[in-house]
Amino acid sequence: AQSVTQLGSHVSVSEGALVLLRCNYSSSVPPYLFWYVQYPNQGLQLLLKYTTGATLVKGINGFEAEFKKSETSFHLTKPSAHMSDAAEYFCAVGTGGYQKVTFGIGTKLQVIP
Amino acid sequence: GAVVSQHPSRVICKSGTSVKIECRSLDFQATTMFWYRQFPKQSLMLMATSNEGSKATYEQGVEKDKFLINHASLTLSTLTVTSAHPEDSSFYICSAKDRRNTEAFFGQGTRLTVV
Repeated sequence: AQSVTQLGSHVSVSEGALVLLRCNYSSSVPPYLFWYVQYPNQGLQLLLKYTTGATLVKGINGFEAEFKKSETSFHLTKPSAHMSDAAEYFCAVGTGGYQKVTFGIGTKLQVIP
Repeated sequence: GAVVSQHPSRVICKSGTSVKIECRSLDFQATTMFWYRQFPKQSLMLMATSNEGSKATYEQGVEKDKFLINHASLTLSTLTVTSAHPEDSSFYICSAKDRRNTEAFFGQGTRLTVV
């Protein structure tokens, strides 16, 4: 069984400020972890993923996330928020081969000018 | 990245009619496709998983006779909502992966409104 908890359904940051979106997971097997971004009325776009190896994962648009097994966390960060980052972000956990991926409830990021 | 095209992006239909949504992988062979439903301000709920040439595997609580999924080729899967009712109104999203990939690629989604 697996699950994802995203803390904070809404996060507001000022343009240029640090973005931190929190994700904790539970999984009975070594997890594959994903962050997706969704713009209004669109599908999901993969930002980054962790499968194995290096625990700090860099993705597109300047985002990165660190897999911390001891904390069962996979928080998403970006050093400096841009207006175009305003969107909804989903954390997801799966198993090898992208089977049975479970999504979190999503965090809506608002960027204030 | 790989491209998945979903069509139509929006559809409005009358209650009692059926609606077909297509999901195509444009530049890879999609051995597995996933269909999700997303309610407003909620996450994606997996409806079913389909492997090419096999019957779809539906998640608990999803009516397979109402949500017909066909994955007859390596580039196309369809979801047909039969005898649609207003409560079927939702955002439906497909994703697809090939045999090698550790990730799936998402379509643009379909906003279904049943009136």
